[in-house]
Amino acid sequence: GQNIDQPTEMTATEGAIVQINCTYQTSGFNGLFWYQQHAGEAPTFLSYNVLDGLEEKGRFSSFLSRSKGYSYLLLKELQMKDSASYLCAVRRDYKLSFGAGTTVTVRA
Amino acid sequence: DGGITQSPKYLFRKEGQNVTLSCEQNLNHDAMYWYRQDPGQGLRLIYYSQIVNDFQKGDIAEGYSVSREKKESFPLTVTSAQKNPTAFYLCASSILAAEGEKLFFGSGTQLSVL
Repeated sequence: GQNIDQPTEMTATEGAIVQINCTYQTSGFNGLFWYQQHAGEAPTFLSYNVLDGLEEKGRFSSFLSRSKGYSYLLLKELQMKDSASYLCAVRRDYKLSFGAGTTVTVRA
Repeated sequence: DGGITQSPKYLFRKEGQNVTLSCEQNLNHDAMYWYRQDPGQGLRLIYYSQIVNDFQKGDIAEGYSVSREKKESFPLTVTSAQKNPTAFYLCASSILAAEGEKLFFGSGTQLSVL
């Protein structure tokens, strides 16, 4: 496969912070995407990183370290609607390869 | 509203039957993609197309075929050679197959075997 690894499941409390890690093979790297997917629905775009560092978008932030082949998605002030699967995807050439996704469950 | 339309939402296939999943976009995107999603696995790329009348195999193309006769349309045929077709199929498009362009996804087709 494409060796994109992320945890299978995470659980957190409403209002808390959760960090979802993603590691990948660095060869041919052209950018990293995070998508959110609710069960039975289409994935929706959250963030894109191509340079090292942190990108912040409201309650969601994404970090990239190209030398380490590592990214994380940070979800702050968790809401019940954030319960979903979060997909890490790496672009190589013209193809986007996805990790298996991390299912986040937010509890009251 | 612009978007990607997949049809049908649910599809059933009999043994030895070919079925075709429809994908239409009115976003004027150059590139289109087909992914397959199985429970507990990531999306896997079946085929992609960067331009009309041209397409490339993805990671799991065996048992599938596509065509790209129009910019707006990228239908996927699941042939009888695909022995395990039950999955959620997602079509996506992007402005062009370049590094920064995000994918927009359709709402998916759930294919099951009778």
